[in-house]
Amino acid sequence: SQQGEEDPQALSIQEGENATMNCSYKTSINNLQWYRQNSGRGLVHLILIRSNEREKHSGRLRVTLDTSKKSSSLLITASRAADTASYFCATGLLETSGSRLTFGEGTQLTVNP
Amino acid sequence: KAGVTQTPRYLIKTRGQQVTLSCSPISGHRSVSWYQQTPGQGLQFLFEYFSETQRNKGNFPGRFSGRQFSNSRSEMNVSTLELGDSALYLCASSLEASGSYNEQFFGPGTRLTVL
Repeated sequence: SQQGEEDPQALSIQEGENATMNCSYKTSINNLQWYRQNSGRGLVHLILIRSNEREKHSGRLRVTLDTSKKSSSLLITASRAADTASYFCATGLLETSGSRLTFGEGTQLTVNP
Repeated sequence: KAGVTQTPRYLIKTRGQQVTLSCSPISGHRSVSWYQQTPGQGLQFLFEYFSETQRNKGNFPGRFSGRQFSNSRSEMNVSTLELGDSALYLCASSLEASGSYNEQFFGPGTRLTVL
């Protein structure tokens, strides 16, 4: 089952606007990561935020993490057509037998020129 | 550094056959994980290998197996293929055993179609 649930499932905006995607999860985590995927290709790592961090920035990306609400958000500012992709949150859990990423269902972002 | 490579990129098989997919991690990375992506189930964890040992396994039947070699390259095998095995299979590598503490780098995937 998917640990993360993402909201919205699809988002369509105009170039230059900001895009916000939300992710909720169910169990305690060590970190939360955001990935981008273009048209069924490989995943590209965007940003990792650890459970003891509340906010992180990388270029036009801003990620927040609220462990009390078990939620995270990804903000893309000044969006571009090239940002059109699926965005996934993934939670990292430390289990006794190793580690794994549990992915949400993803948000399909379309940025219209 | 070269990224994660996966071969083959595309594969067509028929039901009942078996298939082997290969993954070469980024140089120096010792942890390799495999994921299956389908439209219905999304991205699901298959297994993780570190130092030739399976460290974690997802909820998949025994038809799905894998291994890791001493050079960290990994293979996964699916036997007795079913139509539902059609998917994009993604491999990811990371620097340390506890991959969830670090970013994982994904390969381009192998698109498997089972007819």
